[in-house]
Amino acid sequence: AQTVTQSQPEMSVQEAETVTLSCTYDTSESDYYLFWYKQPPSRQMILVIRQEAYKQQNATENRFSVNFQKAAKSFSLKISDSQLGDAAMYFCAYGRRRHDMRFGAGTRLTVKP
Amino acid sequence: SQTIHQWPATLVQPVGSPLSLECTVEGTSNPNLYWYRQAAGRGLQLLFYSVGIGQISSEVPQNLSASRPQDRQFILSSKKLLLSDSGFYLCAWSGSRTSTTTAFFGQGTRLTVV
Repeated sequence: AQTVTQSQPEMSVQEAETVTLSCTYDTSESDYYLFWYKQPPSRQMILVIRQEAYKQQNATENRFSVNFQKAAKSFSLKISDSQLGDAAMYFCAYGRRRHDMRFGAGTRLTVKP
Repeated sequence: SQTIHQWPATLVQPVGSPLSLECTVEGTSNPNLYWYRQAAGRGLQLLFYSVGIGQISSEVPQNLSASRPQDRQFILSSKKLLLSDSGFYLCAWSGSRTSTTTAFFGQGTRLTVV
């Protein structure tokens, strides 16, 4: 079974600094997708970034980028120039076509002014 | 564009009462549909997912059931609620024919069983 592990229950970062959130996963499949979701206090789940496993190039969305290491089954999220609005729970997720998605336990990010 | 509606937003129910949470998706056809539960400060636990009308897969045995009476409608039910059913319930959909499996979530329902 596929599992997703986020080893950092909490992280903090100073405003305007950079922070990296870690995620590892376990799978025997070669075709899959990885995601980072943000859940602010409103509890709405918001997609931050996604990565197709067949792509070697790391995905980037503005201040958010990933470091995808397929052989190591690692998928970390880097947030640059952190802003107060980035404070939230961040969930790493694994998915396959026509299969359910699996989520990690989450990392609570605090941004200090 | 696709949208997902989930209601109600909050619900307080007595132990032993029935439950019905509804989720509908607009702007797409034959979506994959999911029900997740999130305990306070915790991750998401998959409860049910569906790849088509009448096709429901259950992840864990529990006091809940799900149904998909129409292509874009997903219902979470219980005949008799338990205190342990309290939590935050999220409905989500993903495309079945697209190349990615990105899940898009509803606003969630905060259920308190008293």
